[in-house]
Order: sequence, then structure tokens, then C-alpha cells
Amino acid sequence: QSVLTQPPSVSGAPGQRVTISCTGSSSNFGAGYDVHWYQQLPGTAPKLLLFGNSNRPSGVPDRFSGSKSGTSASLAITGLQAEDEADYYCQSFDSSLRGVVFGGGTKLTVL
Amino acid sequence: QITLQESGPTLVKPTQTLTLTCTFSGFSLRTSGEGVGWIRQPPGKALEWLALIYWDDNERYSPSLKTRLTITKDTSKNQVLLTMTNMDPVDTATYYCAHRRITAAGQYLDYWGQGALVTVSS
Repeated sequence: QSVLTQPPSVSGAPGQRVTISCTGSSSNFGAGYDVHWYQQLPGTAPKLLLFGNSNRPSGVPDRFSGSKSGTSASLAITGLQAEDEADYYCQSFDSSLRGVVFGGGTKLTVL
Repeated sequence: QITLQESGPTLVKPTQTLTLTCTFSGFSLRTSGEGVGWIRQPPGKALEWLALIYWDDNERYSPSLKTRLTITKDTSKNQVLLTMTNMDPVDTATYYCAHRRITAAGQYLDYWGQGALVTVSS
């Protein structure tokens, strides 16, 4: 049971827009901690996709965007491409657990 | 450029102790604010944070595994070690180490190693 809750799967056709939600609580998002997102392509290590709610590391396309409000956050991907098919994880810090927390991951399928 | 590499046994027997080494470059754990974390991922399952160690020797552990984990650092070798006792088949997973970046509103993991698959079986 992950501290952050994500939908197990989402899907979309090439060119479409999809969103992935991440629900937290008063001890993480509600306490003011940021959300960060990771992309894990099949058979590879996770890669930082967004940090500080909405900031993209160098090299990440602007098709990826993020937001956080209250105890919820979301990742949006526009102009879906086949190469976006991957698992996506949200992450934050939890003041009760005094450590890093992850979501359960969302598998994105590009139809 | 920051890089990290995990190393250790690929197979351990139940009840044994696992020791993994993370060798890194591009930063120093002598530098204020720096940190390294360990994360694992059972086959087909989600990421699970295990432990963090900071430049000032502070350590943080997952509450559910705290009694079994020890994280240490060797700043002269640029290495972080993770020890997990009493291994069980459910601990079979890919173990990752990652560089931790701190912000005013939390922390995230900006560089990851490629991971080390550890299988627990007799």
C-alpha cells in the first residue's frame, strides 16, 4: 500500500493528451512538500521527469508538465508518442514517516 | 557529471545478510547538503524507498524496514553501503542507489544507478 495513490494504468492514442493523478495527504503534499515525477521505460532505471511540482530537467520535452494543489498532484503529457509508453511514479517527502514516499506507479499505454 | 553504480551479490540465501555498495562520482558526501538514497523494486512492482544518508552522517530509514537496514558511507572511496539483515524471498528485487537533491520543499532523486538485481533463494 503506497503512501501516494496513483491509478494503475492510463492509455491514449498518439497525439492525444493524458493525465496521471497522484493523491497524497496532510503529511506530504498538504504539509507543503513538492511532488516529483519519474519515468521508467521498460527494463531501465527510473529517470527524473519533473521536480518541484512542474520543473523539467534539461532534455525533458515540454510535452510533459505537472501541477500540485492541496493534497493532489498531476502529470500531463500532450502530443502522446509511442516512446512515452512507460511506468510513471510520483514521489514526495512525508513528515510523519520522515522519509521519501512513492506512488504505486501508473502504466501508460500508447494505443 | 554525476554517476552511480550498484554492486553486490546477485544471489543470497534466506536468513543471510545482504551488503550492497553504491560507488559514485561527480559529487562528494563531504559537501554540505549532499545525500544518497537506496530504493528497491520487486519484479513487476512499484518503487520502494529504503534509506537515505546525508553529508552530516544523518540517516533515515523506511519505518517498515528500519530494524533490518543499516546505511553507511565511506567518503574517501565515494561509496555508500546498504546492509539488510535476515533476507527473505520477498526481498527479491532490483536495488537502486540515487543521488538526492534537496530543495526548500522536500527532496528528490535526480541521478540513479542502473540497478542491481538481487534474488533471495535457497
